[in-house]
Order: sequence, then C-alpha cells, then structure tokens
Amino acid sequence: EIVMTQSPATLSVSPGERATLSCGASQSVSSNLAWYQQKPGRAPRLLIYGASTRATGIPARFSGSGSGTEFTLTISSLQSEDFAVYYCQQYNNWPRTFGQGTKVEIK
Amino acid sequence: EVQLVESGGGLVQPGGSLRLSCAASGFTFSNSWMSWVRQAPGKGLEWVAYIKQDGSEKYYVDSVKGRFTISRDNAKNSLYLQMNSLGAEDTALYYCARGGWYPDVWGQGTLVTVSS
Repeated sequence: EIVMTQSPATLSVSPGERATLSCGASQSVSSNLAWYQQKPGRAPRLLIYGASTRATGIPARFSGSGSGTEFTLTISSLQSEDFAVYYCQQYNNWPRTFGQGTKVEIK
Repeated sequence: EVQLVESGGGLVQPGGSLRLSCAASGFTFSNSWMSWVRQAPGKGLEWVAYIKQDGSEKYYVDSVKGRFTISRDNAKNSLYLQMNSLGAEDTALYYCARGGWYPDVWGQGTLVTVSS
C-alpha cells in the first residue's frame, strides 16, 4: 500500500495570502495524484487531478504541481471560502490511498 | 443535475449486516466506474471499494475483503454495498462517488454506526 503523507497538519493563513500544501508518496505515483477540498459537514470536492489539471469549475487560484513522490497544492490568494481541509490521493495503485489531510485555518 | 444519493445507513450491532444503496441521476450511470469511500468520525478518507461499469471488475481494500460486497444495477442507476460482520472499526460516513481513479461527483454520505 502506498502511504501518502501531508504537511503541515494545520496551516494558519491570512485571507489574501498564499498557501502551500505538501503531499509525499512512499513510492512513485507518477502524476496520478488528486487533491480534494472538504468543508465541515460536506462531501469532498475534487480540485486537481493528474497532479496539475484543475477539475471543472475550480478557480485558477488553485494550482497543483509535482510528480513521482513529491507534490504541492498552492492557493495563490486565499479567499474566505477556501478555509477547509485538503486531502491528496494517489490513484497509481490499488488500494487508492489518501493523505491524512491539511487543515487550512484563518490566521 | 448530476446527483448521488446514499441511503441505508443506521445503527447496527457488532457482527451485524447492512446494505447501503446509492441512487444516481443526471449522468449515464452505466458508463461510469463507481466507488464507495468512507470517513470515520473526525478522521480522514478511506477508499473502500470500486466497481467497473459492467460489474466485471471489483476491488476492495484489505480491511473489508470477504466482508463487504460492491454491486450495481445499471437498469436502476443504483450502486450497492453489502456489509457483513460489521465491527466498530466500520463506523463511518459512507460516500458513494463517481469514478475509480479521482471521483468527481460525491453523494452526501450515509452514516453507519456499529455499536451494542
């Protein structure tokens, strides 16, 4: 099983600032990496797939990068609606596995 | 509107069984891989199982193999998860999701609580 590790666990950011979230894989997943946003009481929302392709309707302030074992999700200028938990997920192998999440909170 | 609606969750005793259902609408269900993903209270996400469009391929996470069965009825646009021999570790919100790689549509979830 591929273990996904996200850092930091919590990120405190002021609105308008840039947020950088990291995700590491225990072995290469090529570019088979997705990012999700989850708000309290809501289902996850797909943000990024293929490590860097934004899903339909996702604002351009969200961007993804990386390949192999190291990945980054960047939110260029945080809006109030972006405060949430973010998960990375690999789909290179079965079982599909998620990171433990990064909570982005208001500073 | 593309929509997934889960049902069938509830309180069950350890060792018991439940069958979850997911009703799909707004897209061609028979063309889509489908998955079940769960989330224990206050915890992260765990992919439980997924099934190919025609049901010919199914994959399960090790922790549910032999206990859970994923199935689908394309004529009814429905996905199912039969859960047997339930334990406390199965307590979670169970999401139905479209896709077997990076799900792009999720239901609101149905809560399964295993407790005596």
